[in-house]
Amino acid sequence: GNSVTQMEGPVTLSEEAFLTINCTYTATGYPSLFWYVQYPGEGLQLLLKATKADDKGSNKGFEATYRKETTSFHLEKGSVQVSDSAVYFCALSDLSNTDKLIFGTGTRLQVFP
Amino acid sequence: GAVVSQHPSRVICKSGTSVKIECRSLDFQATTMFWYRQFPKQSLMLMATSNEGSKATYEQGVEKDKFLINHASLTLSTLTVTSAHPEDSSFYICSARRDSLGNTIYFGEGSWLTVV
Repeated sequence: GNSVTQMEGPVTLSEEAFLTINCTYTATGYPSLFWYVQYPGEGLQLLLKATKADDKGSNKGFEATYRKETTSFHLEKGSVQVSDSAVYFCALSDLSNTDKLIFGTGTRLQVFP
Repeated sequence: GAVVSQHPSRVICKSGTSVKIECRSLDFQATTMFWYRQFPKQSLMLMATSNEGSKATYEQGVEKDKFLINHASLTLSTLTVTSAHPEDSSFYICSARRDSLGNTIYFGEGSWLTVV
């Protein structure tokens, strides 16, 4: 079945460091791919998405490219800030039910000044 | 912006008791809401889809008699964990699909349940 695998955290970085959080997926067909972020005490928020191969989603300095050949959707940011500290979830939508999101385990990012 | 609120954010209950978690869409109507669960070091897993005015649709392996879902209004869905056991201790999070403006899905803050 469909699944998402993302790197375990926590990821600990200094401010202005480069961030990569790996995400790979297993799916039949070509699902849409998402990154959600959960800040402390808040709900998950959609950070970015890509709906087809080679699409790049971007928002708030974060980017992720839908790579069909490597079945990956790695999240990157060139210079993280303390305010980026949160839990990041990679997800895909089930093609048979686009409301059904299949998530990874989440990766906690901690950014220190 | 659109907000989904869950309550309580943390709850501790004794084994054998029932506990109710509420999911409210604060400024929009949601015919459809979703309930997820996450065990430690595992993925967020969809438990059930809650439909206003009708029975919830449960994912395979989720006991509908143990996890009672009620979606009696367009802004409120409740999840009741009946006869809770320590293995039900988990992070539960809901989401709501807005009935307008592109049917965007918004998530609540999540609820931590500990059964002792």
